[in-house]
Amino acid sequence: EAQVTQNPRYLITVTGKKLTVTCSQNMNHEYMSWYRQDPGLGLRQIYYSMNVEVTDKGDVPEGYKVSRKEKRNFPLILESPSPNQTSLYFCASSSSRGPYEQYFGPGTRLTVT
Amino acid sequence: QKEVEQDPGPLSVPEGAIVSLNCTYSNSAFQYFMWYRQYSRKGPELLMYTYSSGNKEDGRFTAQVDKSSKYISLFIRDSQPSDSATYLCAMSGQGGGADGLTFGKGTHLIIQP
Repeated sequence: EAQVTQNPRYLITVTGKKLTVTCSQNMNHEYMSWYRQDPGLGLRQIYYSMNVEVTDKGDVPEGYKVSRKEKRNFPLILESPSPNQTSLYFCASSSSRGPYEQYFGPGTRLTVT
Repeated sequence: QKEVEQDPGPLSVPEGAIVSLNCTYSNSAFQYFMWYRQYSRKGPELLMYTYSSGNKEDGRFTAQVDKSSKYISLFIRDSQPSDSATYLCAMSGQGGGADGLTFGKGTHLIIQP
């Protein structure tokens, strides 16, 4: 089954404790992205990757890091989480050929206290 | 310029009604137009996509794109309670979705039984 998986699905942590949210896709997609979704603000892109070792900032990259060492994986790293990073996070992937529709993971609900 | 406008709702209609959801955009470079449906606590799932202007029909759903007016619509006929969800429009340019799609903030739709 074609899918994007994320782990963990739920995470409660404390300010400053480094964490990683994993993302994996099995569709051999070149493009991968991370979004956060907040009430009233919609989906906002954090980082994206066009291929292995190629990443770039999205609209809200501050406080986040990513890496793309393998085509299928695109982890999101919060080195020093803060309460304003409490949000619902989605990983997505898409082909490099049109129509570029994105396939989303199930989401990770992060709470930083 | 990344800007897509979408009425957040909520939009509440009785079961069986025709629903019209809309987005306007400002970037004339957008060529691919999509509608996603998102149930509570789930990731967005692709509902329909269209390329450039025109209509596309899939069962009870019809997507329309008017590039001259920079306006897209999603119509749902014979609406069902299971259609209750948040609907997000999304779009990308001809060059592809390397930096991801540009999303509207979503319209929360409620179908009353």
